Amino acid sequence: GEDVEQSLFLSVREGDSSVINCTYTDSSSTYLYWYKQEPGAGLQLLTYIFSNMDMKQDQRLTVLLNKKDKHLSLRIADTQTGDSAIYFCAEILNYGGATNKLIFGTGTLLAVQP
Amino acid sequence: DADVTQTPRNRITKTGKRIMLECSQTKGHDRMYWYRQDPGLGLQLIYYSFDVKDINKGEISDGYSVSRQAQAKFSLSLESAIPNQTALYFCATSDGTGEAFFGQGTRLTVV
Repeated sequence: GEDVEQSLFLSVREGDSSVINCTYTDSSSTYLYWYKQEPGAGLQLLTYIFSNMDMKQDQRLTVLLNKKDKHLSLRIADTQTGDSAIYFCAEILNYGGATNKLIFGTGTLLAVQP
Repeated sequence: DADVTQTPRNRITKTGKRIMLECSQTKGHDRMYWYRQDPGLGLQLIYYSFDVKDINKGEISDGYSVSRQAQAKFSLSLESAIPNQTALYFCATSDGTGEAFFGQGTRLTVV
């Protein structure tokens, strides 16, 4: 299967940490991604993790991958109002193979309250 | 100039009309994609292309067709538009590493 699922909405206060979760079903995924979509714009790559990693940290962002449970999370430390956006989890299927596709989750709307 | 350009940005059309959405990219990538975005459904893959001669259906290709006129151009057509095709459409391109570059989107309304 190729389903990627996320919760639809998350509300946090400015300065708190945000955790956005994602579950995927295809164990052949070799890369997993987080994209950010700001209002009125297309998606932009935020960060990614290789499937042989458990964690990746990039400034305020921490990505955790649990391959056994097919669970990916994005933690944003010290969340700011500028982080308000829709966040998409994505997986690439059969990287380098003939069926190389980028599949996106349903998106999580993060609302940051001042 | 944007890496991925979509035209038009907004379009209102009537049921039954044929409409084409255009996409061009300056990244030099082989892979191009068309997605539609609906609230609560995320991005759904319509069609994707790995090069000019390779076109593949995505999850929701019914009612749509595509043409890869050149490496840099990938257009999406609705042969006979219907109201449930009202959505935000995105074109994207990638080099296969998974980092995709998206256009600004085309907001299509079918009345």
